Amino acid sequence: GNSVTQMEGPVTLSEEAFLTINCTYTATGYPSLFWYVQYPGEGLQLLLKATKADDKGSNKGFEATYRKETTSFHLEKGSVQVSDSAVYFCALRKYNFNKFYFGSGTKLNVKP
Amino acid sequence: GAGVSQSPRYKVAKRGQDVALRCDPISGHVSLFWYQQALGQGPEFLTYFQNEAQLDKSGLPSDRFFAERPEGSVSTLKIQRTQQEDSAVYLCASSATGTSGKPSYEQYFGPGTRLTVT
Repeated sequence: GNSVTQMEGPVTLSEEAFLTINCTYTATGYPSLFWYVQYPGEGLQLLLKATKADDKGSNKGFEATYRKETTSFHLEKGSVQVSDSAVYFCALRKYNFNKFYFGSGTKLNVKP
Repeated sequence: GAGVSQSPRYKVAKRGQDVALRCDPISGHVSLFWYQQALGQGPEFLTYFQNEAQLDKSGLPSDRFFAERPEGSVSTLKIQRTQQEDSAVYLCASSATGTSGKPSYEQYFGPGTRLTVT
């Protein structure tokens, strides 16, 4: 079947620290991969995406590379800010299907 | 412009009551989705509409759950005879395209309705 596994949180970092949130997936074929972010009290927002192997998605200093050989899409940021505190969800969508599969989310707390 | 809106934002229901949750998608968006998000979990797919047609309802957990989108815009998710296990946040999302083959396909989410069944 199709599934997404994320590292459990919460992840607590100091401001300007390096961030990695691990995400691995199981899917047949060639899915598209996404990271969504949910700030407190708000809906999920698309952070970045990658649609084929070796693509790198990037936005707001966050990056993730679609690695088919390791079925991974880890989220990274070189220097986190307090405003990055949120819950991050990794998701996949199989080509030619409309359904998204989400991971369980990773809460990030950034302390000043 | 206006995003996806949902109402009510919070709903408390006694076990056995029926509830109706509303979703207003972004104007002109063809596709509409409902997800259920349990506490501490990611969203799980419930159902999908393309315009007024319900093309996939494979995620609806029981026949107590029913969704409609009669005019291809506003959608309502109805839960009959609510049970405690129905307590969750119900998310609605919409997308501009109905062409499922586009790999860059993006969904826009509403803030959700938090349902608590007591």
